[in-house]
Amino acid sequence: QSALTQPASVSGSPGQSITISCTGSSSDVGYYNLVSWYQHQPGKAPQLMIYDDDKRPSGVSPRFSGSKSGNTASLTISGLQAEDEAGYYCCSYAGGSIHVLFGGGTRLTVL
Amino acid sequence: EVQLVESGGGLAQPGGSLRLSCAASGFTFNNYGMTWVRQPPGKGLEWVSTISGGGSSAYYAVSVRGRFTISRDNSKNTLNLQMDSLRAEDTAIYYCAKPLSTITILGALDSWGQGALVTVSS
Repeated sequence: QSALTQPASVSGSPGQSITISCTGSSSDVGYYNLVSWYQHQPGKAPQLMIYDDDKRPSGVSPRFSGSKSGNTASLTISGLQAEDEAGYYCCSYAGGSIHVLFGGGTRLTVL
Repeated sequence: EVQLVESGGGLAQPGGSLRLSCAASGFTFNNYGMTWVRQPPGKGLEWVSTISGGGSSAYYAVSVRGRFTISRDNSKNTLNLQMDSLRAEDTAIYYCAKPLSTITILGALDSWGQGALVTVSS
């Protein structure tokens, strides 16, 4: 089973909104409500931004939101800020013998 | 405050072994499953292995199954990853991570260590 599919890169200007997609299958993203999103900046530990498809952990800015339709999950960042520039990874429980899948990651550039 | 500190990384030869450890503090360790995630240089995150809170259940990625063994010592709040038959493609930063939920141990990870670099090369 392959990794979840994400665009390699996205970009936006400060104040704009961007959306990162994460496409899986009916066996993982589309079956379980267990998609999570992580922000990863160079030299730092990854940070959980969204869990269970659309829930935001305490302390995470409300500018970050998650959604899902069928086999595709999405992370939307509104009001882009320079500090949002980072790698973003989706992750889903996949069951069976695969267990957990990450996406290939998306590099967000704030122009 | 949750703290996770990895140790034991370094250089190993192909076919060799290495043991990583993760010292945990700031939460009730034996209530939580624990996970290892790795990131090869220039590549994305890859789930490696998860162990249940009591240590009775373990789960592995296909790429490491049969070569890596996850374990834990709840008396010392320590998570381990024994890596045998190492390959060049195992070169990565290895992170230990704690799940958000005590129940969904293969779910979202809300605390991560800073990582330990493992290099497999002759």
